[in-house]
Amino acid sequence: DQQVKQNSPSLSVQEGRISILNCDYTNSMFDYFLWYKKYPAEGPTFLISISSIKDKNEDGRFTVFLNKSAKHLSLHIVPSQPGDSAVYFCAASLDFNKFYFGSGTKLNVKP
Amino acid sequence: DTAVSQTPKYLVTQMGNDKSIKCEQNLGHDTMYWYKQDSKKFLKIMFSYNNKELIINETVPNRFSPKSPDKAHLNLHINSLELGDSAVYFCASSQEATSSYNEQFFGPGTRLTVL
Repeated sequence: DQQVKQNSPSLSVQEGRISILNCDYTNSMFDYFLWYKKYPAEGPTFLISISSIKDKNEDGRFTVFLNKSAKHLSLHIVPSQPGDSAVYFCAASLDFNKFYFGSGTKLNVKP
Repeated sequence: DTAVSQTPKYLVTQMGNDKSIKCEQNLGHDTMYWYKQDSKKFLKIMFSYNNKELIINETVPNRFSPKSPDKAHLNLHINSLELGDSAVYFCASSQEATSSYNEQFFGPGTRLTVL
């Protein structure tokens, strides 16, 4: 009964191209969404977030899109760089402190 | 100058033992969390404390007992360890999280292996 799902366990992209990571959720009450990035042997670090009142949020090379009707979230990285290679987790919340995480997508950016 | 630190990083122990994992944050945050990353890689919240007060207690066996001596520390004690407790445990903290959304800062994780 995972409420946040990342159906692609891995993604491989050429350096300079766009990386698109996807996330689906089941609970329509979620109103805040985040993406975290995780390197091996480290904890997740916050990347970008979006409130449900928006459908897009941009921060440099990272853009998060929210499609509430489809209950779908995506993270676009452009251009992708080898240093972006990591595991990306999406998370969703409806009550400020309890976040539901997906299982992560491992991104490999090839030089 | 680590923001959120956990000790130990690795913990290997026998079934039935009791063990503790310590967590400290130097960010001045009010809220701290424990997450478990299971074999399917999902990060699942276990507990959350705000200013030393328990605010989230998920369906976790009562063999797991969090303790917050002050708002900079949240320790996790596990009694009678079982094989299924093997996982990576992450501590996290955030600014006050009862009235607004704030990003969580994670520690490096503690890999617990129960033999």
